[in-house]
Amino acid sequence: AQSVTQPDIHITVSEGASLELRCNYSYGATPYLFWYVQSPGQGLQLLLKYFSGDTLVQGIKGFEAEFKRSQSSFNLRKPSVHWSDAAEYFCAVGKIKAAGNKLTFGGGTRVLVKP
Amino acid sequence: NAGVTQTPKFRILKIGQSMTLQCTQDMNHNYMYWYRQDPGMGLKLIYYSVGAGITDKGEVPNGYNVSRSTTEDFPLRLELAAPSQTSVYFCASSYPTVDETQYFGPGTRLLVL
Repeated sequence: AQSVTQPDIHITVSEGASLELRCNYSYGATPYLFWYVQSPGQGLQLLLKYFSGDTLVQGIKGFEAEFKRSQSSFNLRKPSVHWSDAAEYFCAVGKIKAAGNKLTFGGGTRVLVKP
Repeated sequence: NAGVTQTPKFRILKIGQSMTLQCTQDMNHNYMYWYRQDPGMGLKLIYYSVGAGITDKGEVPNGYNVSRSTTEDFPLRLELAAPSQTSVYFCASSYPTVDETQYFGPGTRLLVL
């Protein structure tokens, strides 16, 4: 069975500092990997996704993530955090071309941004 | 283009009451999903559908029912509400392309007392 672990429940970062969110997955084949962001009271918005090709993926809002097969990781990074990046971030893994792609989500990492 | 819409935004139910959470998408997506999100937890799949007339159970289907009579609509029904069903419910949809990215609605917050 597929699973996703986000080891950090909360992260506090100063505005302008860099941010890295960790994601480790367990899956028997090449996975589809996603990062979603959820702002307070809102639904989930896709930041970026990986399913093949270049292992460094660029997303919206200046985020990027790197797929490392040897470490079963898909960590999310941003070089300089803005106050508007305060939100909860979810990593998810899905099956390739399965009928009704079923995502498995990690528990989320809540990011707080200090002025 | 509204994307995925959900109604109501918030609802309080008494134990044993029933209700239907509505979900509609206007992107002509074949696949639709219902998730629940408990405080401090990730999302868990309740039910999903790969097309009109076809539904299947996800990870946590007990206490819920779904139907899919049209491509656009995927309602979720709670027959006998229980406190354990207090949660935020998200509907999502996707199109069966290579990666099937899911697009989420804004959620319905449900409180069962």
